Amino acid sequence: NAGVMQNPRHLVRRRGQEARLRCSPMKGHSHVYWYRQLPEEGLKFMVYLQKENIIDESGMPKERFSAEFPKEGPSILRIQQVVRGDSAAYFCASSDRVLSYEQYFGPGTRLTVT
Amino acid sequence: GEDVEQSLFLSVREGDSSVINCTYTDSSSTYLYWYKQEPGAGLQLLTYIFSNMDMKQDQRLTVLLNKKDKHLSLRIADTQTGDSAIYFCAVLPGAGSYQLTFGKGTKLSVIP
Repeated sequence: NAGVMQNPRHLVRRRGQEARLRCSPMKGHSHVYWYRQLPEEGLKFMVYLQKENIIDESGMPKERFSAEFPKEGPSILRIQQVVRGDSAAYFCASSDRVLSYEQYFGPGTRLTVT
Repeated sequence: GEDVEQSLFLSVREGDSSVINCTYTDSSSTYLYWYKQEPGAGLQLLTYIFSNMDMKQDQRLTVLLNKKDKHLSLRIADTQTGDSAIYFCAVLPGAGSYQLTFGKGTKLSVIP
């Protein structure tokens, strides 16, 4: 019974490059949430997606960031033209229904921008 | 918006009890959680409590909720070295919400 999978676990990008972070939710889960953890901070909500739909992207920066959750395959968080301030741990969580009070987190992707 | 505060560090001796505290601001918060993060790992959901409860016990873990003071605590009995980690308090603010609001985390160090 696999949990939430994220890859890569570590990603190093130079300033100006693109970063693609992938998240496969738990089996049977169709709701995905992305959170960002800056150094020595708590996690901050970024975006909530269901299959083929972005439900709430109120926590996501307006520029350079985008997310998708296609009908087939993992959810993708894409950061274009990365800057040093994007260095953080990006966590994905999933749940099995809307308004579920249980969100299960993946191991995270640690992005370092050099 | 919701604000969640935790002390940053706690140090206890192995075998003692640990108490990690958390305060929040939104009185309409429905579910309150404790997550554990070990170094380099993701977040493990330890336990949660619904806002109409005062206490929840699960083996070595006891969660206490004081709604009047908006105070949540996690007690770990017989603390072990394997309990060393960062513990995050998180709150689901209000019915119909899905955005968890997290504190900055309390780093628990267990001294052998």
